[in-house]
This record gives sequence, structure tokens and C-alpha cells, in this order.
Amino acid sequence: ETGVTQTPRHLVMGMTNKKSLKCEQHLGHNAMYWYKQSAKKPLELMFVYSLEERVENNSVPSRFSPECPNSSHLFLHLHTLQPEDSALYLCASSHEAGETYNEQFFGPGTRLTVL
Amino acid sequence: AQSVTQLGSHVSVSEGALVLLRCNYSSSVPPYLFWYVQYPNQGLQLLLKYTSAATLVKGINGFEAEFKKSETSFHLTKPSAHMSDAAEYFCAVSPTGGAQKLVFGQGTRLTINP
Repeated sequence: ETGVTQTPRHLVMGMTNKKSLKCEQHLGHNAMYWYKQSAKKPLELMFVYSLEERVENNSVPSRFSPECPNSSHLFLHLHTLQPEDSALYLCASSHEAGETYNEQFFGPGTRLTVL
Repeated sequence: AQSVTQLGSHVSVSEGALVLLRCNYSSSVPPYLFWYVQYPNQGLQLLLKYTSAATLVKGINGFEAEFKKSETSFHLTKPSAHMSDAAEYFCAVSPTGGAQKLVFGQGTRLTINP
């Protein structure tokens, strides 16, 4: 595998279910991100992890719970979601070195449908 | 606070015609600016970026963008559209140094007519 991979690619779940999204980067990066992409809305940054520590949480509801066990893996645990949470969830990674900007590489996304 | 406005949620051009996708930004500090492309069922791919070097930036697939501070714009162009350019394009801004906080525009869907 190369780049950033995400599993599953598609997920349908009920509002009472618990599921997890997985992201893995094979680029040796040290920062990882979760974004939410909804129809007709700009891409929204949800969480940022740098060196496995959460550095950003953009007022995301607690029904979304991220986990970053190491620099290569990122999870998004989901529970008691609402239909409006249906969206494409994108993972990205980058190499952060001080003040230098480095490109974020995106995975293909998980298309989530909440019934 | 920074923001990005993409003018036109949908742009349609004929194959071989000029592509122009508009992006205006708002930033209290000199920004880094980016254009990403998203093909159907795929993630975002970086087309090009402006990081305070040359104001005319060349990217992949024949795209380029010009940073115009006086107009707070970073429009994306391509002289001759190809069918494979059909995709959604996103403009994004990030503060210099604050590498992790990309703010995206709402996107422009580009359709190419044969």
C-alpha cells in the first residue's frame, strides 16, 4: 500500500450503532487529520494530531471520538450518530517540521450514511 | 480569521477552451494559498501552492495560478481544457507558519463539454 488509505470506503449505520473509521499513512509523516465533507458545505477540519497528540478539535460533537495510537494510524470512533452526520470523511497526513508548510496528502475517504 | 470564497459553484467550458476558476481570500497575515482537485470517489490532490515566492505558480496537468495581493485573489487557469479535467476544485488558505490549519472554499465543479 502507498500513500494514505482509508477503510471502509463505504459505511451504512443506524443511529444506535457504534463503528470506527480507520486511516493509515505509509508516507512517514508525523501529523494526521480528519476532515468532514458534506454536500454544499466547505471541507471542515475536525481533528489534528501532531506527533500522536491532539492539537486541534474544532468544536466537534462528542459522538465523534478520534484515536491516534501511533504516527501511522488514525481512527474515528462513531456512536449514536445523527442523519446529518452523513458525509464523506477524509483523512490526511503531512510532515510537520517547525514553521515550514508541507503538503497534506489525502486518502480516498469513507462515505458514511446514517439511517 | 481567514476565509476563502470561490465564485461559482459550477463552471462549464468546452473542450479546448480556457479554464478560469476564481478564488478570493481574506487573511490578516500573508497567506499560503493552494488549489486542490478532487476526482469522483477520490480524495483531494494538490494542484499547486503559493508560498510567498513567485506570484505566478505552475502546477500539475497544465494548471497555473497567479497571486494578486491587491485583488486578494488566486485564480486558477488552464489555457486549453481537456475532458480529464472534469472534477471538483478547491481553493484553500493557510497562515504562514501555521502549517496545519487549512481553510477551504466551498469548491467549484468543473464540467467539460465535448
